[in-house]
Order: sequence, then C-alpha cells, then structure tokens
Amino acid sequence: AQKVTQAQTEISVVEKEDVTLDCVYETRDTTYYLFWYKQPPSGELVFLIRRNSFDEQNEISGRYSWNFQKSTSSFNFTITASQVVDSAVYFCALSWSRGSEKLVFGKGTKLTVNP
Amino acid sequence: DSGVTQTPKHLITATGQRVTLRCSPRSGDLSVYWYQQSLDQGLQFLIQYYNGEERAKGNILERFSAQQFPDLHSELNLSSLELGDSALYFCASSPGTGTGNTIYFGEGSWLTVV
Repeated sequence: AQKVTQAQTEISVVEKEDVTLDCVYETRDTTYYLFWYKQPPSGELVFLIRRNSFDEQNEISGRYSWNFQKSTSSFNFTITASQVVDSAVYFCALSWSRGSEKLVFGKGTKLTVNP
Repeated sequence: DSGVTQTPKHLITATGQRVTLRCSPRSGDLSVYWYQQSLDQGLQFLIQYYNGEERAKGNILERFSAQQFPDLHSELNLSSLELGDSALYFCASSPGTGTGNTIYFGEGSWLTVV
C-alpha cells in the first residue's frame, strides 16, 4: 500500500532559524512521484515541488531545499533562514505510476515561525 | 493563483440538506480531482474524473456524487448532510495525460453543516 508519514505534527522555530520537515514514504512501485504542498492559514494548497523516483538530485529554490534519498525512502524539506511568512502546514504527498495520478498525503507538519 | 476555480468559497447549511460545489479546472487540464480535508481524517481523495469519465474512486460516501461536464467543469454533490461532513473541500486539476503530473489545487470550499 502507498503511504506517506510526516512524523512531526508541529514545529515551532524563531525567525532566521533553519528547519527541516521530514517525510517518509512507502510504495512498491518503482516509478513514483513525490510532492510538497504548503497550506497557509488562508487555506489554499500551494504546490512547491515535484520529484520523480528516478531523479535523486537534491534541489534548491531560494531558501527552500529538498533532499530525496531512495535508500531511506525519505523526501525531506529544509527551509533556511525561516521567516514568519513560512508559517503554514506543509504536506508531503505521493503518486505512483499505476495510481491514476491521485495523491496520497501525509498528515502534514504545522510550522510556526515566531518573530 | 493556481488557475483552478472553486465556488462557493464558504457555505453554511443545515443537516439533511443538499449542496453542490463547483469547480473549473485550469485551462487545458482534462483531469479533475476532489479531496476532502477534515481535522480528523486529513486530506482524503474522493474521486477523479478524466475528460468526462470517472477514473478513480477513493473514500467517497454514497451520499456524495460528482460529475464532469463536456466543458470540463465539475460538480460535487453532497446530500443528506451530517455534522461530520463539515470540512474543506478541494478541487484540483492536472493535464491527465501520463502519470506523475503536478496536480494544482483550488482555494477550497469551506462547508459548515449546522
């Protein structure tokens, strides 16, 4: 079965701290896709990144970086020099080649960045 | 702005009633998905349509139904509403061709059943 686990329910940091959000996934498919979405307090779900199972290169986008490790089935998300605007719930999600593209989400990690 | 449009944004209705949530996908996207987000269940996949046909079904109750019209907009019908149906309902869309496409979400429809 496909499953995504985000063990950290809530994280609180002070502005400018670095923070890493963990994501562990389970799938038997060799072709799969991993995603991160951000849900700010206003409620919308904002796409952040997509990664396929054949591309283990880490990615950096500004203050955001993602570490994909197939050996540990993890796809972790790091925010460098966090800002108050980063406060949100972050969801990791998985889709797979035989799964009609639907996403399976983790429970989410609520990040609070305090000034 | 994801390009996915959902209406209404907020809805309050009584138990036993029926409501319809509407979704317009991003231009060019053929697949539409419906998700339910509640405090206890998290983000749950309900149903997917591709070019008018049902493609995948998730944890959708029998009291709920959906359809995708020829112009590709979709509606989610919720009937015999119960207090537990109060949730944020998301519509999402993707091109629908192949696998692993990015799925973009609308802003959601907040449903409160009283």
